[in-house]
Amino acid sequence: EPEVTQTPSHQVTQMGQEVILRCVPISNHLYFYWYRQILGQKVEFLVSFYNNEISEKSEIFDDQFSVERPDGSNFTLKIRSTKLEDSAMYFCASSVTGVYGYTFGSGTRLTVV
Amino acid sequence: SQELEQSPQSLIVQEGKNLTINCTSSKTLYGLYWYKQKYGEGLIFLMMLQKGGEEKSHEKITAKLDEKKQQSSLHITASQPSHAGIYLCGADNGYGGATNKLIFGTGTLLAVQP
Repeated sequence: EPEVTQTPSHQVTQMGQEVILRCVPISNHLYFYWYRQILGQKVEFLVSFYNNEISEKSEIFDDQFSVERPDGSNFTLKIRSTKLEDSAMYFCASSVTGVYGYTFGSGTRLTVV
Repeated sequence: SQELEQSPQSLIVQEGKNLTINCTSSKTLYGLYWYKQKYGEGLIFLMMLQKGGEEKSHEKITAKLDEKKQQSSLHITASQPSHAGIYLCGADNGYGGATNKLIFGTGTLLAVQP
């Protein structure tokens, strides 16, 4: 069964450093998403991406965050200058239609120290 | 904005017992998803419901969406230790746009005692 693949599974970074989280969505999917989950809290929407541009972003997705689809297969989330409060599990998801049916990756656990 | 409330927040059952988890929305649900998550791990898709009164089953798990499409329930029959985890409901924000997003509930932590 097709999967959304995320790398790395765990990342530890120092405060102020830049991190890039990587995702390979399902090949025929056109809509891409990033969500995050702070430990013990809700899964929260960050951003949606379609046709090489951001479709929607949440209040969390400030200027420190950016997304990119650098080639035909990868979808990345960059955090420019990490803060302690960015520590969370980050999930990538993709969808064929952008309306129904979302497949999530297994997540990247980011720890900022 | 849409809010999803799950109940109970946590649940401990004996193996073999049945249980129900509820998800209530502040707005009409256009698409309701159930996911399972092992603590600190990824989201495993269980079921999606769209129509009022719809019911779906997979193995020992049954999910229902009420006629008014504001509440969903997840029922597990004859629970097993493998059912343990966090159950999340997610609602499609229902704006009908090309990039709907999921709003998630707070989750229900299920423990199954052997």
